Amino acid sequence: SAVISQKPSRDICQRGTSLTIQCQVDSQVTMMFWYRQQPGQSLTLIATANQGSEATYESGFVIDKFPISRPNLTFSTLTVSNMSPEDSSIYLCSVESVAEAFFGQGTRLTVV
Amino acid sequence: GEDVEQSLFLSVREGDSSVINCTYTDSSSTYLYWYKQEPGAGLQLLTYIFSNMDMKQDQRLTVLLNKKDKHLSLRIADTQTGDSAIYFCAESIWTGGSYIPTFGRGTSLIVHP
Repeated sequence: SAVISQKPSRDICQRGTSLTIQCQVDSQVTMMFWYRQQPGQSLTLIATANQGSEATYESGFVIDKFPISRPNLTFSTLTVSNMSPEDSSIYLCSVESVAEAFFGQGTRLTVV
Repeated sequence: GEDVEQSLFLSVREGDSSVINCTYTDSSSTYLYWYKQEPGAGLQLLTYIFSNMDMKQDQRLTVLLNKKDKHLSLRIADTQTGDSAIYFCAESIWTGGSYIPTFGRGTSLIVHP
């Protein structure tokens, strides 16, 4: 199993600003995943972050908008840049171990 | 259409059984999951089933898989108010590096006295 700590748990931000979300795992993992959960929608994979290489982004998500860092095997950050109200969502960090996905508690972002 | 579909809401009376249904599209799915999300919390794996199984039981939970119809269901026996949450169905296949799940939109289960 894996325990994931994610922070902040929630934030209210002004449009045009950026927010960096941190994700800490209690064990070393090769891949870390970032999801977005919009109200009433399924979880959408934003990108996969491997340590030592650039993140791989899914269709519809770009590095300039969602830069990701992965400095070591237990930590990653996701930045939501130049925010607009449409970015209001829950952002979740996840890792996979033996086919089971573990999730952080999520960051609830509100952009005003 | 969506890869994983499930109804958005289910309302049941406390003590009754709840059945949450899900359909998926990828016939090469290896694992199928049910996750639970309580308010303000992340997702928690409830149970999963291998694609070569058709049923799995775990205490109050029964998962049925109809691979031919690509239909997955979760039955919760003796539903309690503490079972009120959003339940996500997910499928995953091996991508060469990991299993990355594809989620449905979630079914909000409301349990009333």
